[in-house]
Amino acid sequence: DARVTQTPRHKVTEMGQEVTMRCQPILGHNTVFWYRQTMMQGLELLAYFRNRAPLDDSGMPKDRFSAEMPDATLATLKIQPSEPRDSAVYFCASGLDRTEQYFGPGTRLTVT
Amino acid sequence: GENVEQHPSTLSVQEGDSAVIKCTYSDSASNYFPWYKQELGKRPQLIIDIRSNVGEKKDQRIAVTLNKTAKHFSLHITETQPEDSAVYFCAASRGGYQKVTFGIGTKLQVIP
Repeated sequence: DARVTQTPRHKVTEMGQEVTMRCQPILGHNTVFWYRQTMMQGLELLAYFRNRAPLDDSGMPKDRFSAEMPDATLATLKIQPSEPRDSAVYFCASGLDRTEQYFGPGTRLTVT
Repeated sequence: GENVEQHPSTLSVQEGDSAVIKCTYSDSASNYFPWYKQELGKRPQLIIDIRSNVGEKKDQRIAVTLNKTAKHFSLHITETQPEDSAVYFCAASRGGYQKVTFGIGTKLQVIP
């Protein structure tokens, strides 16, 4: 049963520190999405990739967030410097064109 | 861009009753409408989806209807059970590799 994996599952860090979240999409999937989930905003799309190329990162604060896909098996989301308002659950999802998105278990980030 | 509105934000029903969640979308080019269920502390998972060439789709106790003219789509759960308690998200997309825009979510509580 193929699944999207994310590491770490939980991260507690101090304000100003760099945070790197990793995602391994399901093998063969060609689209990867990064979402942030909070109680107030729900599921917000931060960025997404197709065939490793970034298609849309308009939902991401450019000054502190960056998303990359170094290869087809790894997607990363970095926050530098982190702020308390970045505390949220970050989900990665992968899919194939015209099919459902499969979500990873999420990374729960707490910035103190 | 696409805007998806979802209501109600919370819904409580007695076990065995039906539950209905409604969504509207703004982009007339959207043609793919998935529904995701997220249990507490878990990842969102697809439960049903509908494409714009279909007006209704049913899968056991869940059904989704789509009115393209009015840009409305709804999720219907019949004979609700306690395990249906979760947050449900509607979403809309232009399909293919286009991004999916999510509604804010509906927290459904089924009271035994």
